[in-house]
Amino acid sequence: DTEVTQTPKHLVMGMTNKKSLKCEQHMGHRAMYWYKQKAKKPPELMFVYSYEKLSINESVPSRFSPECPNSSLLNLHLHALQPEDSALYLCASSQVRDILRGYTGELFFGEGSRLTVL
Amino acid sequence: AQSVTQPDIHITVSEGASLELRCNYSYGATPYLFWYVQSPGQGLQLLLKYFSGDTLVQGIKGFEAEFKRSQSSFNLRKPSVHWSDAAEYFCAVKNRDDKIIFGKGTRLHILP
Repeated sequence: DTEVTQTPKHLVMGMTNKKSLKCEQHMGHRAMYWYKQKAKKPPELMFVYSYEKLSINESVPSRFSPECPNSSLLNLHLHALQPEDSALYLCASSQVRDILRGYTGELFFGEGSRLTVL
Repeated sequence: AQSVTQPDIHITVSEGASLELRCNYSYGATPYLFWYVQSPGQGLQLLLKYFSGDTLVQGIKGFEAEFKRSQSSFNLRKPSVHWSDAAEYFCAVKNRDDKIIFGKGTRLHILP
């Protein structure tokens, strides 16, 4: 069982809708990530939060708006999406690099939210 | 710039046969290296990781990988594959900015 939980598993939305994807982890990780994955492609990094602050935005269009309300939760707010935004959206978490603690750097992924934009 | 190359897009092996999936990386320092597996429509599951120490690392599901600095490689191996191993396999490296960079993936097909 994954320790990163994503909801909903499937989402269908129109181009004028506003919806949100949610992600939760209880591993004590202080870094959380959003990835987008198109069919037969590797995951592409969208956003990284470190200690609840946005640390990396990979030039993602503003119709995607991330939010990290606390260290366990990560949201991705969706508004005015395009059909080409249809994809599997993956959330992940990891330790934050800390020389005082053991650091191995791996990401723990959720099962993903399959988004279809009509 | 850091990069990961998986030269094989598809690999087909017979059930019970041995497997080797290739991965080459480009990175200046000692890398953090990973292999992930993804079944259709699912998230990514970590098979194994390397960041220091013994260059032969053991993972879950009977997989192992060997880090070879001289060849900039981190190939994944399994002595005997099972039909349930059919999936997409991604090699990845973590760079100085703590971004995980994925290879393009290798699709593994298993013949009965």
